[in-house]
Amino acid sequence: AQTVTQSQPEMSVQEAETVTLSCTYDTSESDYYLFWYKQPPSRQMILVIRQEAYKQQNATENRFSVNFQKAAKSFSLKISDSQLGDAAMYFCAYRSAWNTDKLIFGTGTRLQVFP
Amino acid sequence: DTAVSQTPKYLVTQMGNDKSIKCEQNLGHDTMYWYKQDSKKFLKIMFSYNNKELIINETVPNRFSPKSPDKAHLNLHINSLELGDSAVYFCASSLGTNEKLFFGSGTQLSVL
Repeated sequence: AQTVTQSQPEMSVQEAETVTLSCTYDTSESDYYLFWYKQPPSRQMILVIRQEAYKQQNATENRFSVNFQKAAKSFSLKISDSQLGDAAMYFCAYRSAWNTDKLIFGTGTRLQVFP
Repeated sequence: DTAVSQTPKYLVTQMGNDKSIKCEQNLGHDTMYWYKQDSKKFLKIMFSYNNKELIINETVPNRFSPKSPDKAHLNLHINSLELGDSAVYFCASSLGTNEKLFFGSGTQLSVL
């Protein structure tokens, strides 16, 4: 069975600085998708970024980018120029390309942003 | 316009009661889900429906019964509520199973 591990329960960053959130996963599959979701205090789950495993190029979305290391099964999220609104829980998630009906989530990292 | 809406947002009830949570999506999606987020923020899928047909039932107690009257709705009924059912329940939808999920804002269930 696939698992997703986020080893940092909490992280903090100064406004305008850069922070990296770690995620590792375990799978025997070669084709899958990886996601980062943001959950602010409003509780809404918001998709931040998505990576297809067959793509070598790292996904980017404005200030958010990933470092996808397929051999190491690592999928870290880098937030550049951090803003106060980035403060939230961040969840890494995995979805198989074969069994596509469910997302498997990590335990989350709480990010605090200080002015 | 809310894409995935759940009601109620908060639900406080006594042990042993029966309660329902409703979910509606106006995105034209054909797949809907229920996820449970426990007190430690861990999210796990409970059910998945595609075109009103059950696809996934992740070893959820049979006190939980999802019902999908049409593709735009997936309701969750819970019988004989227990303390351990206290959690935030998220509805989500997608177009097919390969596309990204849109989540509702969650229903916080507290069982006393």
